[in-house]
Amino acid sequence: QQQVKQSPQSLIVQKGGISIINCAYENTAFDYFPWYQQFPGKGPALLIAIRPDVSEKKEGRFTISFNKSAKQFSLHIMDSQPGDSATYFCAASIGGSNYKLTFGKGTLLTVNP
Amino acid sequence: DVKVTQSSRYLVKRTGEKVFLECVQDMDHENMFWYRQDPGLGLRLIYFSYDVKMKEKGDIPEGYSVSREKKERFSLILESASTNQTSMYLCASSSTGQPQHFGDGTRLSIL
Repeated sequence: QQQVKQSPQSLIVQKGGISIINCAYENTAFDYFPWYQQFPGKGPALLIAIRPDVSEKKEGRFTISFNKSAKQFSLHIMDSQPGDSATYFCAASIGGSNYKLTFGKGTLLTVNP
Repeated sequence: DVKVTQSSRYLVKRTGEKVFLECVQDMDHENMFWYRQDPGLGLRLIYFSYDVKMKEKGDIPEGYSVSREKKERFSLILESASTNQTSMYLCASSSTGQPQHFGDGTRLSIL
């Protein structure tokens, strides 16, 4: 049973466009929702994270939108750049970031110049 | 800067061998984790540890064991390697309440 469903599997965006990746979860006990960015040959790195007491969090060009009632959250990348081309993973955990993370299957983002 | 070091980037072993994957972190983190990453499946947690000599099963522990004799080192052991354990293995560490930091992975091939 997949607890975090991520879509789309791959995404192609033109430079300057908006990239949107969506995730849905099933377990209402989840209370921490990070997004990780992974470049080829590297491990994932934390990009941005949100807790369910806020509906949106913005860091630079990256924004998480969170809908608790729908059990969905999404990553928006504004003004997408070729350097943003990477695989993005959403995740969820109970009890904060030091507990085990349940990951989505990942989205391969390609930003064309 | 947090550094999580995995001893090998690439490893080739034979079916039935006992395989050790090593991970070391330099930030005195209490928590350490082993994941495997497969195309289309994302990252799946194998085992994690909250403290020295402590371990807990993740989502896919079958065929694996772990060892944490020192705080900075967390080893993943494949008792009798099989071809379906060919994968990318990622180690991570974290301090309580802080994000997990990942190593760059070990790509393991079992022939």
